[in-house]
Amino acid sequence: DQQVKQNSPSLSVQEGRISILNCDYTNSMFDYFLWYKKYPAEGPTFLISISSIKDKNEDGRFTVFLNKSAKHLSLHIVPSQPGDSAVYFCAASPNYGGSQGNLIFGKGTKLSVKP
Amino acid sequence: ETGVTQSPTHLIKTRGQQVTLRCSSQSGHNTVSWYQQALGQGPQFIFQYYREEENGRGNFPPRFSGLQFPNYSSELNVNALELDDSALYLCASSLEWTEAFFGQGTRLTVV
Repeated sequence: DQQVKQNSPSLSVQEGRISILNCDYTNSMFDYFLWYKKYPAEGPTFLISISSIKDKNEDGRFTVFLNKSAKHLSLHIVPSQPGDSAVYFCAASPNYGGSQGNLIFGKGTKLSVKP
Repeated sequence: ETGVTQSPTHLIKTRGQQVTLRCSSQSGHNTVSWYQQALGQGPQFIFQYYREEENGRGNFPPRFSGLQFPNYSSELNVNALELDDSALYLCASSLEWTEAFFGQGTRLTVV
């Protein structure tokens, strides 16, 4: 039973356009959500997070939106750059703003940004 | 600032053997978590160590065990290896309630 779902295995976007990566979750006890980026042969790199008391968090080109009633979050990248091409993982934690050890990950979405 | 380092980077073992994977946490971090990432899947939580004590465990059998040392480095031990244990094993360190930083992983192949 997958508690965090990324239903799009891949996404292709033109450079300069917006990339929108989606994530759904089933457990209403999740209190903290994170996005990680992973390049081949590297470990995941933390990108941005959001706690359940917020509905939006922004950091430069990256914005995460949380819709608790729909149990849905999305990552927006504007403008998209070729260097953003990577696998993006959505992750959830039951610990409010807390320890990020016990993270539950989705399967990832491979983003390709074309020049 | 030294990042999270894992060793070895690649490993081939035979079914039934035992394996030890190592992780040096980022300087100042006292929490280490281990994840297994099978091909085409997201990382799956194995367990976490906080100040040398196990502090949470995922749905993995007891043949997956770990240790954290006083310098906060950590080991993951897997006994009686099975073919399905073939995966990328990721270590992540954090300072209690801060974001986790991942190592590059150890690719384990069981034949």
